[in-house]
Amino acid sequence: NAGVTQTPKFQVLKTGQSMTLQCAQDMNHNSMYWYRQDPGMGLRLIYYSASEGTTDKGEVPNGYNVSRLNKREFSLRLESAAPSQTSVYFCASSEQWRGAETQYFGPGTRLLVL
Amino acid sequence: RKEVEQDPGPFNVPEGATVAFNCTYSNSASQSFFWYRQDCRKEPKLLMSVYSSGNEDGRFTAQLNRASQYISLLIRDSKLSDSATYLCVVNRGATTDSWGKLQFGAGTQVVVTP
Repeated sequence: NAGVTQTPKFQVLKTGQSMTLQCAQDMNHNSMYWYRQDPGMGLRLIYYSASEGTTDKGEVPNGYNVSRLNKREFSLRLESAAPSQTSVYFCASSEQWRGAETQYFGPGTRLLVL
Repeated sequence: RKEVEQDPGPFNVPEGATVAFNCTYSNSASQSFFWYRQDCRKEPKLLMSVYSSGNEDGRFTAQLNRASQYISLLIRDSKLSDSATYLCVVNRGATTDSWGKLQFGAGTQVVVTP
């Protein structure tokens, strides 16, 4: 019972480099999310996919792009990394796009941009 | 003003004691309320949903006060394993667009000591 998996666990990038964070869920959930967590701040929504085939911007989308590859997978891409993108990134999923749904989180990716 | 505000703590609690803390939210349209738990360097996990009438789950009791726009969490008979950061989470509203968007507080740290 893997739940939500994320790769990589850790990454160091230089300013201007690009990378893709991978996320997959095996719970047959319809909705998926990408968050970032910074010290002293709550998790902030970057992008979300309410259902397969749709993606929308969240609270802090600048500098990121996403792809909902299929129902299981939702990737986050940093095209040109900046030090301000140093953060912990969490992917999450929920069964439906509803407020009362539990969101299940992956273990996170710790990203350092130098 | 942050949309969800929490006392960061830490709340230092002797084992077996009771601890309670609140969180306030600013969006009166929020419909769903939760407490998530996050252990150090781990992903958030749902602790409990919070219902209008208040609800209890073992040693944990959650209350919602819509008029004053706050929710509370009380932990009775604290265990060492209750040491964690507790995240107050509310959804952004009742419209289709906002249903699944969650707003996270920065968390309240609880440290249970022997």
